[in-house]
Amino acid sequence: DGGITQSPKYLFRKEGQNVTLSCEQNLNHDAMYWYRQDPGQGLRLIYYSQIVNDFQKGDIAEGYSVSREKKESFPLTVTSAQKNPTAFYLCASRMDSGDTQYFGPGTRLTVL
Amino acid sequence: KQEVTQIPAALSVPEGENLVLNCSFTDSAIYNLQWFRQDPGKGLTSLLLIQSSQREQTSGRLNASLDKSSGRSTLYIAASQPGDSATYLCAVQGTVGAQKLVFGQGTRLTINP
Repeated sequence: DGGITQSPKYLFRKEGQNVTLSCEQNLNHDAMYWYRQDPGQGLRLIYYSQIVNDFQKGDIAEGYSVSREKKESFPLTVTSAQKNPTAFYLCASRMDSGDTQYFGPGTRLTVL
Repeated sequence: KQEVTQIPAALSVPEGENLVLNCSFTDSAIYNLQWFRQDPGKGLTSLLLIQSSQREQTSGRLNASLDKSSGRSTLYIAASQPGDSATYLCAVQGTVGAQKLVFGQGTRLTINP
């Protein structure tokens, strides 16, 4: 089955801790994306990567970091510098610019 | 700066009704517009993608229209079913090379049996 997997589904973090959210795809897509969704709001772009070993900041990159060492994987680290990290995080990928983006099931992060 | 708005934020209708969801955008220079469905606590599923040169796209009971000049798109759902209950989001891509999608806040749709 081709698709995007995100883990864990739920994540709890204490203030001051860094956490890493996993995103893996087996669609052979070049581009991958991380979005944040807050209640009643649309998705906002955190980071994106068009090729391995390259990534770009989105609209709300402060307090987040990413890596793209493999085509299939695009992990997101939420650092302690992120002031309000409690949110639903969605990973997406697509083959070509102009194609639709395919989304993973999401990770809900809660800061205790 | 592109802004996308979806009104209403929530809509409740009886089963079997035809309904229309609205999406408006401020900058008419778009490459495409997409409609997504999101079930509670889940990721997004693409429903329809309309290129800027197209006026509409259809998939089953769904029909999406695009009027670039007025900055509007509608998603028409025919013969609604309880399984259609979900949040519907529209998103625009500004240029062919743009990596960013600009999303509306979504319309939460409830179909009552």
